[in-house]
Amino acid sequence: DTEVTQTPKHLVMGMTNKKSLKCEQHMGHRAMYWYKQKAKKPPELMFVYSYEKLSINESVPSRFSPECPNSSLLNLHLHALQPEDSALYLCASSQSTSGFPYNEQFFGPGTRLTVL
Amino acid sequence: GQSLEQPSEVTAVEGAIVQINCTYQTSGFYGLSWYQQHDGGAPTFLSYNALDGLEETGRFSSFLSRSDSYGYLLLQELQMKDSASYFCAVPGGKLIFGQGTELSVKP
Repeated sequence: DTEVTQTPKHLVMGMTNKKSLKCEQHMGHRAMYWYKQKAKKPPELMFVYSYEKLSINESVPSRFSPECPNSSLLNLHLHALQPEDSALYLCASSQSTSGFPYNEQFFGPGTRLTVL
Repeated sequence: GQSLEQPSEVTAVEGAIVQINCTYQTSGFYGLSWYQQHDGGAPTFLSYNALDGLEETGRFSSFLSRSDSYGYLLLQELQMKDSASYFCAVPGGKLIFGQGTELSVKP
C-alpha cells in the first residue's frame, strides 16, 4: 500500500470554527509532513514530524496545531482561521527525513480548505 | 539561503520533446528531484539524480550537473496527459521546491 489518505477532501469553515484535518499512511514511514499550497505556487512546508516528534515548525501561526497520535496518523487542528488561510493542505510521508539516501515523499490528495 | 529557479510556463505540442530547466543554489546538496502535479491533484515523484548524468524512466529523463548547479527534466513523445506543473526540489531534512513550471501540451 503506497497511499497517503486525507480527510476530508473539502472543508468550508467560518473564522470562529474549530476543525481538524486527518492524514493516514500505512507504509511504515517515520516522517510525516504538512504543506500548504496556494494556486499556481509550490507546496509550502508547515510542519515535519520525525518518529512522531515535531522536528520542524516553519513559523506557522498558532491557529494551526499539528498532532501525531501514532506513526501512521497525522492531524492538523484548525482554530480561528483567516480567509487568507484558504488553500490546499497536503500531507506527505517518507521513510525518514534524511537527505541521503533519497527519501521520496508520498503525497496525499489534499484537503481543499475554504475559510469564510 | 536556498533557491531553485525554473521557467514558469512552457508550451509544446503532442509528440514533441520538451526540456524543463532548473538551476539551484543550496547548501548541503544531496541531489535533485522532480515532482509532477496535475491541476487539483497531489504532487507525485518522477525522478531523482544524486550523481551527474542522465537518468531515464520511460518517456521522462532527468539530468544533473553538480558543477553547474543545474538540472533538467526531459519529456519525450509528449501526450495531452503530460499537461501539469513540474517542480524541481532538493531534499535534506525538508524538501525545498522550485516555483514550478506549468506545461501545456497542445494537440
